Amino acid sequence: NAGVTQTPKFQVLKTGQSMTLQCAQDMNHEYMSWYRQDPGMGLRLIHYSVGAGITDQGEVPNGYNVSRSTTEDFPLRLLSAAPSQTSVYFCASSYRGGGADQPQHFGDGTRLSIL
Amino acid sequence: KNEVEQSPQNLTAQEGEFITINCSYSVGISALHWLQQHPGGGIVSLFMLSSGKKKHGRLIATINIQEKHSSLHITASHPRDSAVYICAVKAETSGSRLTFGEGTQLTVNP
Repeated sequence: NAGVTQTPKFQVLKTGQSMTLQCAQDMNHEYMSWYRQDPGMGLRLIHYSVGAGITDQGEVPNGYNVSRSTTEDFPLRLLSAAPSQTSVYFCASSYRGGGADQPQHFGDGTRLSIL
Repeated sequence: KNEVEQSPQNLTAQEGEFITINCSYSVGISALHWLQQHPGGGIVSLFMLSSGKKKHGRLIATINIQEKHSSLHITASHPRDSAVYICAVKAETSGSRLTFGEGTQLTVNP
């Protein structure tokens, strides 16, 4: 079982470039999310999806797009990279539910630097 | 004020010591998670709880819903426990969305 797979692990971009961070899970989880982690701050939610074809904005969505065409994949697109988007990005998944018993599964992260 | 506050921010201990990390939150929740982030960056779920106490090996997590407070205890700490420990809550009205604390950096010296 691969769990949550993120690619790439590292990326350096120039300001204005675009790129897609890939996230795939093989656990048939309905809920997937993207977070960014910056020094001195907790993980912040960028976008999330509760199932294929459904996405919504999180706390810090500006500059990012997502889509969810399949249950397995949830790519995050940077439309025009800016230095403020330098961060470590984590994808996570879980079974959907309003209940209290859904552990979160995280990918290993993507370290992104924007020059 | 953050919805989730952790204390201390940094903690240094000697091997074998009993360690407590605290998490306080300000909203009604349906679940609280404790996560561990290794020095290499990966994040692992340790516990998810909504009441009482859970134990796994040397780790114990407790929660007091009335006081909006949770603690993570590590007994007989070991240098391999050195990591960032993160508290996250699932608010009652947020479905599966989580709000995270800033984390506690734990260093256990041999």
